[in-house]
Amino acid sequence: ELKVEQNPLFLSMQEGKNYTIYCNYSTTSDRLYWYRQDPGKSLESLFVLLSNGAVKQEGRLMASLDTKARLSTLHITAAVHDLSATYFCAVVSDKLIFGTGTRLQVFP
Amino acid sequence: DAGITQSPRYKITETGRQVTLMCHQTWSHSYMFWYRQDLGHGLRLIYYSAAADITDKGEVPDGYVVSRSKTENFPLTLESATRSQTSVYFCASSEGTVSYNEQFFGPGTRLTVL
Repeated sequence: ELKVEQNPLFLSMQEGKNYTIYCNYSTTSDRLYWYRQDPGKSLESLFVLLSNGAVKQEGRLMASLDTKARLSTLHITAAVHDLSATYFCAVVSDKLIFGTGTRLQVFP
Repeated sequence: DAGITQSPRYKITETGRQVTLMCHQTWSHSYMFWYRQDLGHGLRLIYYSAAADITDKGEVPDGYVVSRSKTENFPLTLESATRSQTSVYFCASSEGTVSYNEQFFGPGTRLTVL
């Protein structure tokens, strides 16, 4: 059974700083998604990573996938308050299996 | 507007009552999903459907019933609501012929069972 772990579960960071969220999974998969959820809102798709070594970037967020290490990272560059949200990775088994989420809070 | 909608957005009910949550999508996506979101658990799959009249259990199906008579609708029924079913419920859909394509989520229904 596929297990998906994210860490940290909660991240409080200062504006302008860099940080990385990690998504580890337990069995082979070569497709992974990152979603964002604002408080009280729905999930919004951020990135689709379709193969080993895939890297996607949008604005201050960059996601990568290492299928051999069973690891995806979501890197935040020069954080701003608008990035405050909960970020989920979802790994493909026969269905999507979601991590528990990382709640990111960016403060001045 | 095209998209995926859920109704009601908020619902308060009592233990033992039947509740139906509605989900409607206008994309003609083949796959539709129901998740529940609880603190500390992320999203857990309740049921999913590959097409009209085809449904299958997810991770936490007990206490729930689904149907899909039309491609665009995927209602979720709690036959006899329990307090443990208090949660936020999200419907999602995806296109294509496999269950793991990118999913698009509805706005959610916050259900409270007293």
